[in-house]
Amino acid sequence: AQSVAQPEDQVNVAEGNPLTVKCTYSVSGNPYLFWYVQYPNRGLQFLLKYITGDNLVKGSYGFEAEFNKSQTSFHLKKPSALVSDSALYFCAVRDIDSWGKLQFGAGTQVVVTP
Amino acid sequence: GAGVSQSPRYKVAKRGQDVALRCDPISGHVSLFWYQQALGQGPEFLTYFQNEAQLDKSGLPSDRFFAERPEGSVSTLKIQRTQQEDSAVYLCASSYGPRGEQYFGPGTRLTVT
Repeated sequence: AQSVAQPEDQVNVAEGNPLTVKCTYSVSGNPYLFWYVQYPNRGLQFLLKYITGDNLVKGSYGFEAEFNKSQTSFHLKKPSALVSDSALYFCAVRDIDSWGKLQFGAGTQVVVTP
Repeated sequence: GAGVSQSPRYKVAKRGQDVALRCDPISGHVSLFWYQQALGQGPEFLTYFQNEAQLDKSGLPSDRFFAERPEGSVSTLKIQRTQQEDSAVYLCASSYGPRGEQYFGPGTRLTVT
């Protein structure tokens, strides 16, 4: 079975500081990993994905993620956080044995203070 | 272009009532997914359609849950005899194919009283 874990319920960071949201995964075979963001009363918005290739993946709104096979991690990063980045972030893995359904982590609430 | 839309955005049902939740996917998207998101948790897969065919319904929690997509476009998730544990946000997502990026709608928040 494939799964992802997000070890932090909440991350607090000051505006302008680097932001990191952690995700570890457990898969059989090659992982297909995703990050989504959810703002209040809105659906999930796609940020970026790792399928294959470069370990550093660049996505929307200045976010990037680093795939680390040896540590089975896929941490989301942003060099300089904005107050508007405050939201709920989900890591997900695509189940390769099914029709593409996503398995999500529990989510990490990011709070960026001015 | 237009994204995925869902209606109603909010639904309050009394325990035992039937509800129907609608999803309008992005035009031309073959794949359609339904997820259930309980409070404070990540979304959980319910069911998958490819065009009008329901290819995976392994996530439906009970036989009270039924989904359809008769013409391969709009989909409806129906919950019969709602229970309090059905209270959640129901998310719909579509993609151009099963391995494409999934685009999510805003969700329907169902509250069963």
